[in-house]
Amino acid sequence: GQQLNQSPQSMFIQEGEDVSMNCTSSSIFNTWLWYKQEPGEGPVLLIALYKAGELTSNGRLTAQFGITRKDSFLNISASIPSDVGIYFCAGPGNTGKLIFGQGTTLQVKP
Amino acid sequence: DAGVIQSPRHEVTEMGQEVTLRCKPISGHDYLFWYRQTMMRGLELLIYFNNNVPIDDSGMPEDRFSAKMPNASFSTLKIQPSEPRDSAVYFCASSRLYNEQFFGPGTRLTVL
Repeated sequence: GQQLNQSPQSMFIQEGEDVSMNCTSSSIFNTWLWYKQEPGEGPVLLIALYKAGELTSNGRLTAQFGITRKDSFLNISASIPSDVGIYFCAGPGNTGKLIFGQGTTLQVKP
Repeated sequence: DAGVIQSPRHEVTEMGQEVTLRCKPISGHDYLFWYRQTMMRGLELLIYFNNNVPIDDSGMPEDRFSAKMPNASFSTLKIQPSEPRDSAVYFCASSRLYNEQFFGPGTRLTVL
């Protein structure tokens, strides 16, 4: 079945550093979503992308819809301790169901 | 506006018992989703409703699982009888646009 592969699996960075993560698939997606999940909470929608090549920002977060439609990228600038969490990419699969990647765990050292 | 509300937040039960999880979606959202999250399998869609009607329940693992949405502001996910392998975090989500889903805080279920 369709899968979304996220990399890296985990990151441990220093506060103030920029972060980059990506999500790839072997099939085309028409929508890319980025969620963040903090411990003990549900995923929170950060950014939604609907057009190939689209670049969208939400504060210090910027996400891009890859031109090939098979990938998406999320960047976080000047990371802070509250950026800690698991970042998931998601997209509607062939059946219409939302498929989630396995997540990138981000830890920020103050 | 209040977010998606789920209850209980934690549930510990013994194998064979009936478990009922509850969800109140965001007002005005036409879609409601039930997900299960485990370390091994990540986030899995169990079932979703549109305008209170179940649309796709192909993710429901077994007949022991059932979900209802009697009105636009309430849904339940029931497991009967529960088994230890059902232990997971169960999330309810709602949305106005299918893809932009808003998740509740989840119910952490432990079946002993």
